[in-house]
Amino acid sequence: DQQVKQNSPSLSVQEGRISILNCDYTNSMFDYFLWYKKYPAEGPTFLISISSIKDKNEDGRFTVFLNKSAKHLSLHIVPSQPGDSAVYFCAAEDSNYQLIWGAGTKLIIKP
Amino acid sequence: NAGVTQTPKFQVLKTGQSMTLQCAQDMNHNSMYWYRQDPGMGLRLIYYSASEGTTDKGEVPNGYNVSRLNKREFSLRLESAAPSQTSVYFCASSEQGSGNQPQHFGDGTRLSIL
Repeated sequence: DQQVKQNSPSLSVQEGRISILNCDYTNSMFDYFLWYKKYPAEGPTFLISISSIKDKNEDGRFTVFLNKSAKHLSLHIVPSQPGDSAVYFCAAEDSNYQLIWGAGTKLIIKP
Repeated sequence: NAGVTQTPKFQVLKTGQSMTLQCAQDMNHNSMYWYRQDPGMGLRLIYYSASEGTTDKGEVPNGYNVSRLNKREFSLRLESAAPSQTSVYFCASSEQGSGNQPQHFGDGTRLSIL
C-alpha cells in the first residue's frame, strides 16, 4: 500500500501562473514532509520542507501547505517559470528517519 | 564542489554477473543511503548507513549488499544480477537522518540487466 500518493502524473501550467502540486499520505505519524525537484538524468534536489507541527512554510516563490486533518499537502509555485519544468516528488519522514516517496508529478510550464 | 559522486553512470550486465556501484560524498555527512527508482514509482530505499560502521536494511534490500567503507564512501553490490534489478540507482547523503537535514543526491547509475 502506498503511504504517500501523488495522484497527478503530470500537470501543465502557463508561464507566470500558479502551479499547485498535491500529495496525500496515510500515516498520521510522519514527522516531516519534503518536496524534491528532479531534472532528467540528474538526482533529486531538495526544494522545501515542512514540519508536522506547522501548516505553512514559505521560501521565495515556493510555499508548502500542510492539512493534517485531511492528510494532504500541497506545493505552490508562484509565479511559474520555464525552469520549473521538472518532476516533483513529495516525501514523508517516518519515525525511523526514513523517507517514503510519492511517484512524482511532471510539471510542464508552457511559454 | 562535487557533493555526491556516483560511478559508473551507465552499466549493462548479463544475468548472474556481479557488480559494485560506488558512491562518495565530500560534505562530511554522517548518513548515507542507496535508493532505486523504477518507472512510475517513487524512490525506494535499499540500504542506509546512519553513521560510519553501521548499515541497515531499507524497504527493498533483497539481492543487494552494502559496505560503508569510511565516512565518505558507501558502496552497493549486486552479487548475482537479475533482470528485476534493472533500475536507476541513486546514492544520497545527509548530516543526520532527519527531515530538517535534507538528503543530497548523486546523479544516479542507470543499470540494465539482460
